[in-house]
Formats: sequence, structure tokens, C-alpha cells
Amino acid sequence: GAVVSQHPSRVICKSGTSVKIECRSLDFQATTMFWYRQFPKQSLMLMATSNEGSKATYEQGVEKDKFLINHASLTLSTLTVTSAHPEDSSFYICSATLAGVPFFGQGTRLTVV
Amino acid sequence: QQQVKQSPQSLIVQKGGIPIINCAYENTAFDYFPWYQQFPGKGPALLIAIRPDVSEKKEGRFTISFNKSAKQFSLHIMDSQPGDSATYFCAASILRNTPLVFGKGTRLSVIA
Repeated sequence: GAVVSQHPSRVICKSGTSVKIECRSLDFQATTMFWYRQFPKQSLMLMATSNEGSKATYEQGVEKDKFLINHASLTLSTLTVTSAHPEDSSFYICSATLAGVPFFGQGTRLTVV
Repeated sequence: QQQVKQSPQSLIVQKGGIPIINCAYENTAFDYFPWYQQFPGKGPALLIAIRPDVSEKKEGRFTISFNKSAKQFSLHIMDSQPGDSATYFCAASILRNTPLVFGKGTRLSVIA
């Protein structure tokens, strides 16, 4: 069964609006979760590291004010894409590690129109 | 600078063939090397992983070969089936609970 659950799987939003994506670790606690972005036919690129109870760490080139990450509990991290633009359209995937093994959520296909 | 180089970009094999996908890394601190399978619109699913103290690992039809001195590792898929058609990513990480660095992916097509 799934180890990491991500919701929603697909979302379409209008330019200028915000979208929240949830990532949950199922039946285990994850003090750290990772958010990746994947453009069509490309690899996964790390966006940020989400740390429970503290600020997220963002990779170079990722705008922290645009991609808000909240890791308020040991089983939930959220990524909010604020003031979304068409160029933010992508596949967003979260990951959490269980027993030293990284597991990925199902991904969220974001389309900004 | 890409830390994990993956080849080939795409691969077509006949059913029953043995596709081989190769990856090379530079950072000798990497100590975890997984392979993921991804179908369109889905998140990556872990296939098999290896640590540097082992030269080969087999799980079902999937085998990882690992060459520490050459800093290379590869995935072999035995008796490939059309259902294996997907994109395969190699990855590497340092220590537990650190982010993965992914290769660029290999699109595999297995034709009947």
C-alpha cells in the first residue's frame, strides 16, 4: 500500500490564484519531507526540504515567497503555490523517508490557465 | 552540474530482451543508489536499491550492478515485458533522510 499520500492528484487553477498541495506520511512520522518538481519529459528536481517545526530550506532559484511550505505536524507537509502563473504548471511530487528508504507520493499535476 | 549521469535517454527492446540502463556519479560520499520506475502521470515507484558495500543485487527480474571504483551502477531488466515500458530513473543520496539526486531518466519501450 501507499506509504506517502499526496492530494490532490490534479488541479487546474486560474492565473493569480493560490493552490495548496498536501503530502502525508501514512502510519509513520516524517520530520523531514522533500518537494520535487518535474517538467514534462524531464527529471525530478529538488525544490525544497520541509522540516517539521522549522523553516523550509529552498534550493537555489526557488522562490520561497512563491512556494510556501508548512510542515506543521510530523505527518503532514503542505506546499502552497501562490499567485500561480502558467509557467508554474508542472508535476509536483513529495517524498518522505521510512527506515532509510525514500518513498514518493503520487504527484500533483498543476495546470495554471 | 549534474551529479548523476544516466544513459541512454531512450531504449527500445523486444519482449524478452534485457535492457540495460547505466548511471555514473561523481560524489564519492553517495551511499545509497536506488532505481525508480515512473509511469505517465504517476509518482516514481522504488524498484530496487543498492548500497556501495555490495556489487550486485537482484530482486525478481531487476538486477543492479555496482562498480564502486568506476563510480558506476546499472539496471538490468531480465525477460522484459511490454508492461515494463516506462521511464526509469537512477538516483543517489548521502546518508539517510537526505534528498535524492536524480539522473535524467531513460524512456524504455518494450515491443511485443
